[in-house]
Amino acid sequence: DAKTTQPNSMESNEEEPVHLPCNHSTISGTDYIHWYRQLPSQGPEYVIHGLTSNVNNRMASLAIAEDRKSSTLILHRATLRDAAVYYCTASGNTPLVFGKGTRLSVIA
Amino acid sequence: GAVVSQHPSWVICKSGTSVKIECRSLDFQATTMFWYRQFPKQSLMLMATSNEGSKATYEQGVEKDKFLINHASLTLSTLTVTSAHPEDSSFYICSAGEQGAVEKLFFGSGTQLSVL
Repeated sequence: DAKTTQPNSMESNEEEPVHLPCNHSTISGTDYIHWYRQLPSQGPEYVIHGLTSNVNNRMASLAIAEDRKSSTLILHRATLRDAAVYYCTASGNTPLVFGKGTRLSVIA
Repeated sequence: GAVVSQHPSWVICKSGTSVKIECRSLDFQATTMFWYRQFPKQSLMLMATSNEGSKATYEQGVEKDKFLINHASLTLSTLTVTSAHPEDSSFYICSAGEQGAVEKLFFGSGTQLSVL
């Protein structure tokens, strides 16, 4: 698994977009980029994953750099329910190894 | 989406007793499940990989005789914390992926263990 680096914390105003960055400079060609989030006192929840192309789903968008050494999770309109710790992983297989993640605070 | 059910959600036990935590994949089969532990304000730490019908694979530093894992069927894995001590108090989380779809993991809701 590639090592990932994320900011410890970020803050966003409600209804505004949020861009959560992740660096994974040692990623290999077959490693998928995964994003999970964890709400307080709950297990992590899958958000999105991708390999090379940008991805969109109902929860978020994933923008992957052309060299794949970094990616950005985009929440288009942050809500209070999006306050969580967001984890980025780069792995070619399970199990997933989690770094410290980014704690996102959303301000009403 | 697929659901992983974990039980109990929380448990309080006396030091020296054993506690069993169950992890079930409700609508899919999982030949492999994963057990994580999480201390307050910290990230998830992988403890072991549970393999259906065979022995679990433990991460370095995790005592296999203390954290017994059984994966007797394609939908059930159990983690037993034997002779629990206060330092074993933690949030334990299981996860599983659908067969052939390793890109996405589904997590249980976690078990908060408090050892008195």
